[in-house]
Amino acid sequence: EAQVTQNPRYLITVTGKKLTVTCSQNMNHEYMSWYRQDPGLGLRQIYYSMNVEVTDKGDVPEGYKVSRKEKRNFPLILESPSPNQTSLYFCASSSGMGYEQYFGPGTRLTVT
Amino acid sequence: GDSVTQMEGPVTLSEEAFLTINCTYTATGYPSLFWYVQYPGEGLQLLLKATKADDKGSNKGFEATYRKETTSFHLEKGSVQVSDSAVYFCAPYSGNTPLVFGKGTRLSVIA
Repeated sequence: EAQVTQNPRYLITVTGKKLTVTCSQNMNHEYMSWYRQDPGLGLRQIYYSMNVEVTDKGDVPEGYKVSRKEKRNFPLILESPSPNQTSLYFCASSSGMGYEQYFGPGTRLTVT
Repeated sequence: GDSVTQMEGPVTLSEEAFLTINCTYTATGYPSLFWYVQYPGEGLQLLLKATKADDKGSNKGFEATYRKETTSFHLEKGSVQVSDSAVYFCAPYSGNTPLVFGKGTRLSVIA
C-alpha cells in the first residue's frame, strides 16, 4: 500500500530537549516536504527536498533542520524545541513539486 | 510568491444542502489548482485538481472550475452528506516556492 508514515504520532516534550520526527514514503517519490498546521494559520511549509541531498527552506524554517540522505526518508529535527513549536506536523511526498502530494497522518507535538 | 484566499468557516449545513467554498488565488502564469480534504484525525488527501483554464475537476460529487479571468477555483457540491464533514484546503501551484495552502474551511454537515 502506498503510504507516508510518520513517527511518533504524539509527542510531549520539554523546552530544549532535542527531538526528531521521522518520515518515510514507499512510493519512490523525489519530492518531500514538511508542514505545520496551526489554528487560524492553516498549513505552512517548513522545509522541502527535491531529491537526495537537496533541501531548501519553506515559509517557516526557523528552529527546524532536515536531512535527506535516502530517497525514502526525510526526518524533521528540532534541536532546541520551544513552546511556539507546539503544533500539528505533516510530512508529504509527491513525484515532483506541483504534483499531487501524499500526506502522512500527522504528528502532534507539545512543547512545555 | 503564490497566495490564496479561502472562505473562512466554519460552515454548517444540513444534509442535502448545496455547498460552495470560495477560493481565489494570486500566482504567476498558469498555475495548477488543487483542493485537498482533511477528515478528522487524518492527513490531507487530494480531492480534485485542474491544470488549465476552464478545466473542471471533479471527485466524490465535488466540482471546481478553473476560472482564470477571476483567478478563482470555487468548490461546489450539490447535495452534501454527513460524511463530507471535514476541513477543505485550496492550493495553487505555479512553480514558485514555498507551496501555499489556504487556511482551510471547516465544514460540518448535520443530519
